[in-house]
Amino acid sequence: SQKIEQNSEALNIQEGKTATLTCNYTNYSPAYLQWYRQDPGRGPVFLLLIRENEKEKRKERLKVTFDTTLKQSLFHITASQPADSATYLCALGGSQGNLIFGKGTKLSVKP
Amino acid sequence: AAGVIQSPRHLIKEKRETATLKCYPIPRHDTVYWYQQGPGQDPQFLISFYEKMQSDKGSIPDRFSAQQFSDYHSELNMSSLELGDSALYFCASSYTSVSYEQYFGPGTRLTVT
Repeated sequence: SQKIEQNSEALNIQEGKTATLTCNYTNYSPAYLQWYRQDPGRGPVFLLLIRENEKEKRKERLKVTFDTTLKQSLFHITASQPADSATYLCALGGSQGNLIFGKGTKLSVKP
Repeated sequence: AAGVIQSPRHLIKEKRETATLKCYPIPRHDTVYWYQQGPGQDPQFLISFYEKMQSDKGSIPDRFSAQQFSDYHSELNMSSLELGDSALYFCASSYTSVSYEQYFGPGTRLTVT
């Protein structure tokens, strides 16, 4: 069955540094991959979508890469701020549009 | 900008009771999704509707059913509630004719006692 792994449950970094989160998947060939941010008790918020034929996508301080050979996506937040502290979810998408989420990585940015 | 609306925000039910959760998608979005998120878990896909027709089904128990109405709002009906049904239930919508990015509502927190 499809499996998604996000490299760590928690990541602690210092303000101003770059946070790098990893998402690996197996037994799946997604047409696209998405990253969401979730704060406690709230709904996930869409951040970025990258398609299988795209290598990299950027949006302000966010960058995502997608390597379909390695079956891996990297999500970077540059110049991180305490306000970036949240859980970040990787999600795979299929042709029907539903999302399969990873367990998430809880990012804490310390001032 | 309009967001996804869910009601109620909180719901407390007893075992074996029924519950109905409502979702109002973003206007002009053609697809609605329902997800269940247990404590400390990732969201699990339940069911989706495209243009009011069921389009995909995930790990939705037989005790649950859902539908989308002519005004595009959707309802998730849950019967014979169990303690394990306590969770956050999210509705999301997307305009899949353009993109698959999904916009989530604030969720309904269901507590079964």
